[in-house]
Amino acid sequence: DAKTTQPTSMDCAEGRAANLPCNHSTISGNEYVYWYRQIHSQGPQYIIHGLKNNETNEMASLIITEDRKSSTLILPHATLRDTAVYYCIVRVANYGGSQGNLIFGKGTKLSVKP
Amino acid sequence: SAVISQKPSRDICQRGTSLTIQCQVDSQVTMMFWYRQQPGQSLTLIATANQGSEATYESGFVIDKFPISRPNLTFSTLTVSNMSPEDSSIYLCSVSPAGGLSTGELFFGEGSRLTVL
Repeated sequence: DAKTTQPTSMDCAEGRAANLPCNHSTISGNEYVYWYRQIHSQGPQYIIHGLKNNETNEMASLIITEDRKSSTLILPHATLRDTAVYYCIVRVANYGGSQGNLIFGKGTKLSVKP
Repeated sequence: SAVISQKPSRDICQRGTSLTIQCQVDSQVTMMFWYRQQPGQSLTLIATANQGSEATYESGFVIDKFPISRPNLTFSTLTVSNMSPEDSSIYLCSVSPAGGLSTGELFFGEGSRLTVL
């Protein structure tokens, strides 16, 4: 699986959009970009994933550049409860079949401040 | 989605003893994984728990130290054997739902926080 690079930490004001970047310049054509987060003392939580197109769900939006070498996770209105470590992971996804494990990097520690 | 229950949620153990962590899922899943998260660190995969056969271990992890069982599609155990303070970590169970239009996402338990004195 391709490696990712994320900033170590970021701050965001409550109510503002949090934009978390991720570089994955060696991503392969069949690899998806996944985002997970880990709130303190909890297990990681799936947020969103995508292949080429931008994606949006109730939690966040994922913007993937046209060359797929980088992406940005957007939390549109960050709250204090969004304070967590955010992990960007690239991995092949086999729809309908067994899924492999995830390789976690160090992630970005997002601190949402009042 | 899948709801995962891990037991114990936390424990304090003496050096040299062993502890077995249980992972129970509310639905059948194809893949189950065990991760370790050392203090202040990211998650590291220990092994894939295979139903009906021996677990597949990652580099640096061995069966004698971390024996794993998976008797069926909803349950697995991880034993941390002959513990030392370096084994103090959070151990997390993770699952991938069975077939169909799986999105490839994994679900995680809340983890078992182990402190070895």
